[in-house]
Amino acid sequence: RKEVEQDPGPFNVPEGATVAFNCTYSNSASQSFFWYRQDCRKEPKLLMSVYSSGNEDGRFTAQLNRASQYISLLIRDSKLSDSATYLCVLSLPRDSNYQLIWGAGTKLIIKP
Amino acid sequence: DTAVSQTPKYLVTQMGNDKSIKCEQNLGHDTMYWYKQDSKKFLKIMFSYNNKELIINETVPNRFSPKSPDKAHLNLHINSLELGDSAVYFCASSQDKGPPLLREQYFGPGTRLTVT
Repeated sequence: RKEVEQDPGPFNVPEGATVAFNCTYSNSASQSFFWYRQDCRKEPKLLMSVYSSGNEDGRFTAQLNRASQYISLLIRDSKLSDSATYLCVLSLPRDSNYQLIWGAGTKLIIKP
Repeated sequence: DTAVSQTPKYLVTQMGNDKSIKCEQNLGHDTMYWYKQDSKKFLKIMFSYNNKELIINETVPNRFSPKSPDKAHLNLHINSLELGDSAVYFCASSQDKGPPLLREQYFGPGTRLTVT
């Protein structure tokens, strides 16, 4: 089983709709979780960290479910500019440091 | 004011050549990384340096050699380039102190390497 798994999509969603996607992970020692966003032919950028109690940033809500080992991202009132690939990232302890594990991403296309 | 910069942005070269990619960050971060993103869009870490010291060295061919002359720079030299090396190479940096949730990685714009 891959350490991080995401549905590659694409998710085709009309503008204004709500969309959600999950990311599952296999290692229960995973410590921290993040959602990054990557636009076509651009570098990844941090969208939001995922806190244990869940957190919201404007139209974006992130949740963590440790029991079922997944994180989720919900986007409300989607905009055309939300079209991008969303990368799930987690950190694993490694020696005295940590290691980031990246998912392959979920592609989201918002249609007018 | 570019936070993480890479040069060149595009690199087209023939098999067997040796090439270098340079990376600089002006964020004052102490950790820098090289990632490879292949055609399947999978982002895979290659190397990580903390204060000029190599801390992560994933299973990468010996043809790839990183060099960190100082905390702000991390270069990648590739010998005897192969077709399979074609990918986008991203440099990134982060501050490796404080709560893990705050260790955001900042990426450079990427270097698109094409080996023919």
